[in-house]
Amino acid sequence: GENVEQHPSTLSVQEGDSAVIKCTYSDSASNYFPWYKQELGKGPQLIIDIRSNVGEKKDQRIAVTLNKTAKHFSLHITETQPEDSAVYFCAASRNDYKLSFGAGTTVTVRA
Amino acid sequence: EPEVTQTPSHQVTQMGQEVILRCVPISNHLYFYWYRQILGQKVEFLVSFYNNEISEKSEIFDDQFSVERPDGSNFTLKIRSTKLEDSAMYFCASSERSPLHFGNGTRLTVT
Repeated sequence: GENVEQHPSTLSVQEGDSAVIKCTYSDSASNYFPWYKQELGKGPQLIIDIRSNVGEKKDQRIAVTLNKTAKHFSLHITETQPEDSAVYFCAASRNDYKLSFGAGTTVTVRA
Repeated sequence: EPEVTQTPSHQVTQMGQEVILRCVPISNHLYFYWYRQILGQKVEFLVSFYNNEISEKSEIFDDQFSVERPDGSNFTLKIRSTKLEDSAMYFCASSERSPLHFGNGTRLTVT
């Protein structure tokens, strides 16, 4: 089955700086890559997703890049704010719904 | 914004007892899912449900697990005879197709 590795496990950044989280996947048939943000006491909330026919997608301060050849994808958050502090999960899937998650990255934005 | 609602937020049960975890998916969604996260481990897929039947299940979803949509709004996960290793956060999700929208989870503690 699919195996998703996520790095780093924790990330501390100064407010205003950028944060980058990287994931690799093992199944070359995976074609859907969502990113979820989980705040304390809440469930994962989708922040951005990308499909394998696209190399990059951006939504305001958040961007995701995908390298199909290398089987890795990354989340970039620019101009970080305190409310960006949360656990971020990457995931990969062949079929949109059976998601294989990474282990999560705890992001702390220092004021 | 519509959301997936899960009850209870925390359930404590004794080993061998049956538990039912409840979910109210987003009203116009047709696909329903259960995921779980054991403490310190990745979020993992359990089961998907569409058109009143299971469409896919993982190896974890053995005979002690069952799902049901008893009426037009609820979606339940039943664990027939709980084991200590069933202790986890259980997330319900729903979708029209993608992306998945997750609830806030039920923390199940088996003692």
